Amino acid sequence: SAVISQKPSRDICQRGTSLTIQCQVDSQVTMMFWYRQQPGQSLTLIATANQGSEATYESGFVIDKFPISRPNLTFSTLTVSNMSPEDSSIYLCSVTPGQGGEQYFGPGTRLTVT
Amino acid sequence: GDSVTQMEGPVTLSEEAFLTINCTYTATGYPSLFWYVQYPGEGLQLLLKATKADDKGSNKGFEATYRKETTSFHLEKGSVQVSDSAVYFCALDTGRRALTFGSGTRLQVQP
Repeated sequence: SAVISQKPSRDICQRGTSLTIQCQVDSQVTMMFWYRQQPGQSLTLIATANQGSEATYESGFVIDKFPISRPNLTFSTLTVSNMSPEDSSIYLCSVTPGQGGEQYFGPGTRLTVT
Repeated sequence: GDSVTQMEGPVTLSEEAFLTINCTYTATGYPSLFWYVQYPGEGLQLLLKATKADDKGSNKGFEATYRKETTSFHLEKGSVQVSDSAVYFCALDTGRRALTFGSGTRLQVQP
């Protein structure tokens, strides 16, 4: 398994500003993932972040809006840029530390944009 | 593309009732299948998994069997408790390691 922490746990932001979310893992992992969970909805994959390469974004998500950094094997950041109320969601990072395919999730960052 | 379909919620049961939450999937190849649980105010936790046809995943009294012929992975528990109240997500991985989730099913267990 893996222990994942995220900062901040929640934030309330003004429209038009940006927020950077940090994800820290207690072990080295190759693949990290960022998901969004809109209110009352399921999880949607934003992007896959591998250390040493550009993040791979899913359809409907672009790097200008959600830039991601992955400077080492235990850390990643997701920035939500030029925020609007539609960006109000829970943002979660996850990792797959083993070969079994199971993913472990961080506690999430609850973002409210006013 | 890959997709997961779960039964609509909420599901409301009395304590000690039998639980079934249906999950069917569409995917290329042979995906791994997972159930995740999200308790109120908490993060997402892996509940159980199955990686090949006819595998049965089990944990905390919950079970699910990977049925390739019906492309299903239904979650069952013989006797639910109030503490099982949560949102349950079915998910699959076709090998690219990113998960595709179902819409989630909220379970409410009444004493």
